[in-house]
Amino acid sequence: DTAVSQTPKYLVTQMGNDKSIKCEQNLGHDTMYWYKQDSKKFLKIMFSYNNKELIINETVPNRFSPKSPDKAHLNLHINSLELGDSAVYFCASSQFPYEQYFGPGTRLTVT
Amino acid sequence: DQQVKQNSPSLSVQEGRISILNCDYTNSMFDYFLWYKKYPAEGPTFLISISSIKDKNEDGRFTVFLNKSAKHLSLHIVPSQPGDSAVYFCAASVRDDYKLSFGAGTTVTVRA
Repeated sequence: DTAVSQTPKYLVTQMGNDKSIKCEQNLGHDTMYWYKQDSKKFLKIMFSYNNKELIINETVPNRFSPKSPDKAHLNLHINSLELGDSAVYFCASSQFPYEQYFGPGTRLTVT
Repeated sequence: DQQVKQNSPSLSVQEGRISILNCDYTNSMFDYFLWYKKYPAEGPTFLISISSIKDKNEDGRFTVFLNKSAKHLSLHIVPSQPGDSAVYFCAASVRDDYKLSFGAGTTVTVRA
């Protein structure tokens, strides 16, 4: 039974399109995160929600919008996709700070 | 501005020998450090952590050492096994902060 799941695993789309990535955790954690792993392999935090409240909002284009309908779900919506958005996006969750549990990632390719 | 640096992108080690992975940080406010392991096409998984009040933490074959004065930590894997072949990320955080800063990772290859 997957602890942190993401859909889709792969996403290929054209520039200018709008797409969403969904994340669900069944660990009962209060906090969820979105990370971006770019071509240089750095994992960078984008957003974090704690009990549906936004607690981390890094410098990210406002084309990216997270939405947390409940504490088990955190979705990422991206408007007007650009070539530079191509990356692997990871969702994660934690009960406390520090030890975060990651999903398998979504590889986004913008053509 | 990368506050956590892993200067060795790769490491090759023979099975049964010790693997030593290094990590340096620049932010003196960091007081909690973690190592994550990542296999291809999977998300990172938590491996071991250390608080700044300690200088060593062990968990089975994995030991993390912290040198606060040098702003340096290392992960020792003894003995190395083929299943240890993966990318290892160092991460750091300020106390009670949910934000983790990650290094770029070190790819470990364990040779039979």
